[in-house]
Amino acid sequence: DIQMTQSPSTLSASVGDSVTITCRASQNIIHWLAWYQQKPGEAPKLLVYKASSLESGVPSRFSGSGSGTEFTLTVTGLQPDDFAIYSCLQYYTYPFTFGPGTKVEIK
Amino acid sequence: QVQLRESGPGLVKPSETLSLTCTVSGGSISSNTLYWDWIRQSPGKGLEWIATVFYSGSKHYKSDLAGRVTISMDKSRNQFSLRLRAVTAADTAVYFCARRSVWNGELRPPDYWGRGTLVTVTS
Repeated sequence: DIQMTQSPSTLSASVGDSVTITCRASQNIIHWLAWYQQKPGEAPKLLVYKASSLESGVPSRFSGSGSGTEFTLTVTGLQPDDFAIYSCLQYYTYPFTFGPGTKVEIK
Repeated sequence: QVQLRESGPGLVKPSETLSLTCTVSGGSISSNTLYWDWIRQSPGKGLEWIATVFYSGSKHYKSDLAGRVTISMDKSRNQFSLRLRAVTAADTAVYFCARRSVWNGELRPPDYWGRGTLVTVTS
């Protein structure tokens, strides 16, 4: 199975900051990576698919990049609504696997 | 608008079978461009993909659950289901059902999710 890791596990930031989260795959997943945002008690929300494609309706301050085994999610200009947990998902091959998540908290 | 809703017992005894159903509205589960997933999240932990089913009957499972888990579809009811046998406390989690689609010939990740249902394994 493909293992997914994320760093950092927790990130403290202020409104207006730009933050970057990294996701690494244990083998080449080309560009079959998605990013999700999750808030307490809610289902995950798809932000980015195919590594860098922004899901419809997602603000342009979110962006994804990377290929192969290393990927990043950047939020440019954090808004109060952005404090949440972010998880990556590889959907290149079964079984699909998620990263452990990164909590973005208010500094 | 596509909606998914999980249903099933909130409490299951150790060694028994967990059974959940996902009811889909706003679209047919029999489409040849849609896949249906179960995903879970243990308290305070990350997301864990469990299983997927396609209208053709094709199924895939998480490796370490493959001996205990079964996913199935009921096209007449527009539902799909999860059965997890011989549960332990480690199976306590919020269980989500979700939809994936094929768009322009490419597979998309889960985009529509149910709200999730908490299943607690306890005697």
